[in-house]
Amino acid sequence: AQRVTQPEKLLSVFKGAPVELKCNYSYSGSPELFWYVQYSRQRLQLLLRHISRESIKGFTADLNKGETSFHLKKPFAQEEDSAMYYCALRTNAGKSTFGDGTTLTVKP
Amino acid sequence: DTGVSQDPRHKITKRGQNVTFRCDPISEHNRLYWYRQTLGQGPEFLTYFQNEAQLEKSRLLSDRFSAERPKGSFSTLEIQRTEQGDSAMYLCASSLVVATLGEQFFGPGTRLTVL
Repeated sequence: AQRVTQPEKLLSVFKGAPVELKCNYSYSGSPELFWYVQYSRQRLQLLLRHISRESIKGFTADLNKGETSFHLKKPFAQEEDSAMYYCALRTNAGKSTFGDGTTLTVKP
Repeated sequence: DTGVSQDPRHKITKRGQNVTFRCDPISEHNRLYWYRQTLGQGPEFLTYFQNEAQLEKSRLLSDRFSAERPKGSFSTLEIQRTEQGDSAMYLCASSLVVATLGEQFFGPGTRLTVL
């Protein structure tokens, strides 16, 4: 069975500081990893996916198969980054398993 | 097309009553997913459809839950004999079956409160 763990429920940083949201997964197959974000009073939306190797809103995430991790990073946090972040693993069958989320607060 | 829509947005019901939720996916999307989310947790997979076929159903889903997607477009999720433990946000998402992508577009959710 697949599992996604986000060890931090809450993370608070000051504006301009680096931020890292941790995600660890367990899955016996070849995983597809995603980060979703939910801003206040908005619906859940995709932030980035590992297969695209993209940087969105300054965020990047690298899949480390050896450590089974997919941590989300941003070198300089902004106040508008304050949101709930979910790491998700998609199996070949199509369904996604989500972590329990990390609430990021960026203080001015 | 303004994205995935769900109806109703809020539902309050008494224990033992049946409830039905509707999800309208993005029109060209052939996959549709249902998730449940309780406070402090991430979305939990319930079931998903490809076109009108229900391809997988979570083992955690009791027999009181049933979902349909009769014409491969909108979907309904019915909960029979609701219990207080069914209180949650029910999320619907849709996607295209594309080999290397897989972004799911989420609806706003239906918040169910069982009294």
